[in-house]
Amino acid sequence: AQRVTQPEKLLSVFKGAPVELKCNYSYSGSPELFWYVQYSRQRLQLLLRHISRESIKGFTADLNKGETSFHLKKPFAQEEDSAMYYCALTPGGLTGGGNKLTFGTGTQLKVEL
Amino acid sequence: NAGVTQTPKFRVLKTGQSMTLLCAQDMNHEYMYWYRQDPGMGLRLIHYSVGEGTTAKGEVPDGYNVSRLKKQNFLLGLESAAPSQTSVYFCASSFGQPQPQHFGDGTRLSIL
Repeated sequence: AQRVTQPEKLLSVFKGAPVELKCNYSYSGSPELFWYVQYSRQRLQLLLRHISRESIKGFTADLNKGETSFHLKKPFAQEEDSAMYYCALTPGGLTGGGNKLTFGTGTQLKVEL
Repeated sequence: NAGVTQTPKFRVLKTGQSMTLLCAQDMNHEYMYWYRQDPGMGLRLIHYSVGEGTTAKGEVPDGYNVSRLKKQNFLLGLESAAPSQTSVYFCASSFGQPQPQHFGDGTRLSIL
């Protein structure tokens, strides 16, 4: 069975400080990993996925298969980054599993002035 | 292009009442999902569908039923609501595997 762990429920940083939101996973195959963000009273939206290797809103995430981690990083936090962040996993490839996502419990990021 | 639309946005029910939540998507996605979001537990999959006329159980299916009679709609039913089903319900859709899922705004459901 697959599992996603986000060890921090709340992460508070000052504006301009670096941010790292931790995500660890367990899955026996090759996973597809995503970060979703939910701003206050808004719908979940995709922030980034590991295969695209993009930098979205200054955030990056690198898949480390050896450590089974997919931590989300940003060098300088902005006030508008305050939100709930979810790490999610789905089996990679065409496994016929319905593209089901397994979510972590989320980390609330609070950027203080 | 509305994306994923959920109705209603809010609802208060009494224990034992029934209701149906509607999810509609206009992106021609094959796959659709229902999740519930509870504090400290993230999102948990209730049921999902990989195409019109198909449904399958997710992680927490008990107390819920679903139907996918049309490709663009995915209905979530509560036959006899219980206080434990108080939650925020999210619908999502995707093209298939392993494409990202697109979410609706959510339905906040309270059961007294």
